[in-house]
Amino acid sequence: KQEVTQIPAALSVPEGENLVLNCSFTDSAIYNLQWFRQDPGKGLTSLLLIQSSQREQTSGRLNASLDKSSGRSTLYIAASQPGDSATYLCAVKDSSYKLIFGSGTRLLVRP
Amino acid sequence: KAGVTQTPRYLIKTRGQQVTLSCSPISGHRSVSWYQQTPGQGLQFLFEYFSETQRNKGNFPGRFSGRQFSNSRSEMNVSTLELGDSALYLCASSLEANQPQHFGDGTRLSIL
Repeated sequence: KQEVTQIPAALSVPEGENLVLNCSFTDSAIYNLQWFRQDPGKGLTSLLLIQSSQREQTSGRLNASLDKSSGRSTLYIAASQPGDSATYLCAVKDSSYKLIFGSGTRLLVRP
Repeated sequence: KAGVTQTPRYLIKTRGQQVTLSCSPISGHRSVSWYQQTPGQGLQFLFEYFSETQRNKGNFPGRFSGRQFSNSRSEMNVSTLELGDSALYLCASSLEANQPQHFGDGTRLSIL
């Protein structure tokens, strides 16, 4: 059974700092891995999707990496801003097309 | 391009009632998935529909059901509501299985 874990559960950093969010999964048989952000009371916003054959994806200040063999992904946020404050969720799409989510990392960027 | 639209945004029901939630996917998207989000269990997969067929189902009781219409719009129905069904119900659509899922803002269901 696929399990997704995100560490840390919460993170508080000063504005301008670079940071890394971690995601691990137990079964390497995945189609893809997707990173989302969720603002309070809102749905999920897709940030990056990495196909199982890819190693990383970049969008602006965000970079996501995937190491399928070790069951790990990281989301790197450069030069963090208060507007980056949100909950970040990692999800893997398993072999049966289910999207399995981690419990998220709550990020607070202090001005 | 319009995003995923879920209606209603908020709903209050009492135990034993039933409820129907609606989701309109992004134009052209044929896959629609439903998720339940609660503080205790996080985000859990309910089911996925593709071209009007249920392609996958999560571990939820039969009280939770869904369907997809020929225009890809989807509905989710929950019968005999229980207090534990209080949650944010999220719908997501995608072009294909290997494409990003795009989420709506959800329907917040409260059971009294």
